[in-house]
Amino acid sequence: DIQMTQSPSSLSASVGDRVTITCRASQSINNYLNWYQQKPGKAPKLLIYVASTLQSGVPSRFSGSGSGTDFTLTISSLQPEDFATYFCQQSNSAPPTFGGGTKVDIK
Amino acid sequence: QVQLVQSGAEVKKPGASVKVSCKASGYTFTSYGISWVRQAPGQGLEWMGWISCQTGNTNYPQKFRGRVTMTTDTATRTVYMELRSLRSDDTAVYYCARDIVSYTGGDWGQGTLVTVSS
Repeated sequence: DIQMTQSPSSLSASVGDRVTITCRASQSINNYLNWYQQKPGKAPKLLIYVASTLQSGVPSRFSGSGSGTDFTLTISSLQPEDFATYFCQQSNSAPPTFGGGTKVDIK
Repeated sequence: QVQLVQSGAEVKKPGASVKVSCKASGYTFTSYGISWVRQAPGQGLEWMGWISCQTGNTNYPQKFRGRVTMTTDTATRTVYMELRSLRSDDTAVYYCARDIVSYTGGDWGQGTLVTVSS
């Protein structure tokens, strides 16, 4: 199985900050990398798929980049509703696997 | 709009089985597969398998093979996930998700808490 490693596991930030989360795959995943946001008690929400495609309805302050094994999720200006946990997931090959998550909380 | 509505919370004893349902609406049911993902309390996300709503073909990871069965009912637009021989470490919230592209959950159910306890 492909291992997905996210960093950091948590971070504290302020409204308006630029936030970057990284995800590394144990082998090349051909850009089949997805990002999800999850708030407490809620289901995950797809933000970005195939590394950089913004899901419909997701604000443009979210962006994704990367290729091969190294990927990044960037929030250009953190908003109050963005405090949540973010997961990466590879969908290149079964079984699809998730990173351990990055919790973004208020500084 | 797309909706996936799951069945309610369950409490089961070790060794029992649980069957969770996921009723879909707002899209052509047979055009998309459904994945099941679970999340133990305070933990990350774990993929449990996938079913084609067109053919009924399934794909289960080695970890769950032999213990999980996913089925569909096209007439009622409902997908089912049955997990057998439950253990305490199966306690988790179970989600269904519509795969918009391969193994990519574009829409999710609200989750079903399954508690396994003696």
